[in-house]
Amino acid sequence: DAGVIQSPRHEVTEMGQEVTLRCKPISGHNSLFWYRQTMMRGLELLIYFNNNVPIDDSGMPEDRFSAKMPNASFSTLKIQPSEPRDSAVYFCASSNHPDGVREAFFGQGTRLTVV
Amino acid sequence: GENVEQHPSTLSVQEGDSAVIKCTYSDSASNYFPWYKQELGKGPQLIIDIRSNVGEKKDQRIAVTLNKTAKHFSLHITETQPEDSAVYFCAASNGMGAQKLVFGQGTRLTINP
Repeated sequence: DAGVIQSPRHEVTEMGQEVTLRCKPISGHNSLFWYRQTMMRGLELLIYFNNNVPIDDSGMPEDRFSAKMPNASFSTLKIQPSEPRDSAVYFCASSNHPDGVREAFFGQGTRLTVV
Repeated sequence: GENVEQHPSTLSVQEGDSAVIKCTYSDSASNYFPWYKQELGKGPQLIIDIRSNVGEKKDQRIAVTLNKTAKHFSLHITETQPEDSAVYFCAASNGMGAQKLVFGQGTRLTINP
């Protein structure tokens, strides 16, 4: 398997524009997570899905952020409108945890810069 | 909720020496403690994990210890090599599966040749 695939790898956008980040989890994994990484706040869990259903979105910073998982092989994280403070590296991760196995596999991340 | 503190934030050791990174957690219900390694430009990757029914786990040059009473766990890397240079994250979870993993702030480890 190619692992978790995220696109784009880098995104530069102007403040106020809509940004969509994409993620393809590892085939067969039933949990998907979106994390945000910044120097100040480290790795923060934004939202996670189990079997395509959002389970906990308490980490989503505000209503400008939304995430969807229309099927088992695709998820999006959207920011509308974007602001400079949204600049960060956004990671998608997936896992499959039968019998308590818990490893989360991370993608390469999307580096977002909002100017 | 869970809070994970990690120290030190940066660590520099001579090649061949040992490195130790320490984490504390706040939620006594946490029962799963993984360590991730993040290389430049890549996502974090699991290197070792420990569950609360185990006090120590070793995998070649890497070991993790857990003290549930004190709510702290540590990563030990022996015989360090240049390829060990990376950012290391500890994390804690109290649920099944990888959800609700709360990460520490990370430790930037540099191995000096």
